[in-house]
Amino acid sequence: GAVVSQHPSWVICKSGTSVKIECRSLDFQATTMFWYRQFPKQSLMLMATSNEGSKATYEQGVEKDKFLVNHASLTLSTLTVTSAHPEDSSFYICSAEGTDFSQYFGPGTRLTVL
Amino acid sequence: ILNVEQSPQSLHVQEGDSTNFTCSFPSSNFYALHWYRWETAKSPEALFVMTLNGDEKKKGRISATLNTKEGYSYLYIKGSQPEDSATYLCAHQKSNQFYFGTGTSLTVIP
Repeated sequence: GAVVSQHPSWVICKSGTSVKIECRSLDFQATTMFWYRQFPKQSLMLMATSNEGSKATYEQGVEKDKFLVNHASLTLSTLTVTSAHPEDSSFYICSAEGTDFSQYFGPGTRLTVL
Repeated sequence: ILNVEQSPQSLHVQEGDSTNFTCSFPSSNFYALHWYRWETAKSPEALFVMTLNGDEKKKGRISATLNTKEGYSYLYIKGSQPEDSATYLCAHQKSNQFYFGTGTSLTVIP
């Protein structure tokens, strides 16, 4: 139980394009999902908290107009990196909150912006 | 301690050896401490959630302890096997938000 999928697992795009990453809870419903980013040799850093039925909350320093988070349903959250640039290249990973405040993670998405 | 810190950063052990790593975290506003096991190209897998000072949890050959007063947790692996090779992450939970360490990368050499 508590399986979370993420799609795509990797993506390469040109600078200036937008990329959408999907996070789905497959066997449970999640009112809250989280988006993290990890740069090489660094820890997972929380970017935004996605709440079904309301606006996402963003961590300090994260541009909400650049990283659009939408929680479309109780099983789906999306992160759209708008007008991506090479410095946005990173590993993005989502998690879905379980009933006991535990977080269940997807496998992550490797984004490379050329 | 302001951030979550894990040590060592990486570790190589021989098959059959026992090993342990450390997670240090701010002791104020503590809610829970989580340990995850993360294999390459897979989702981090939850190992333990610990909430009370003095908690000890065990799953097979892996166990963990928690000291909330001094802000540290230890993860122990007894008789390491090659399949234990992974990155072990700890996360300090405040309310519903997690703050992660950089992980300990374990390689078990057959």
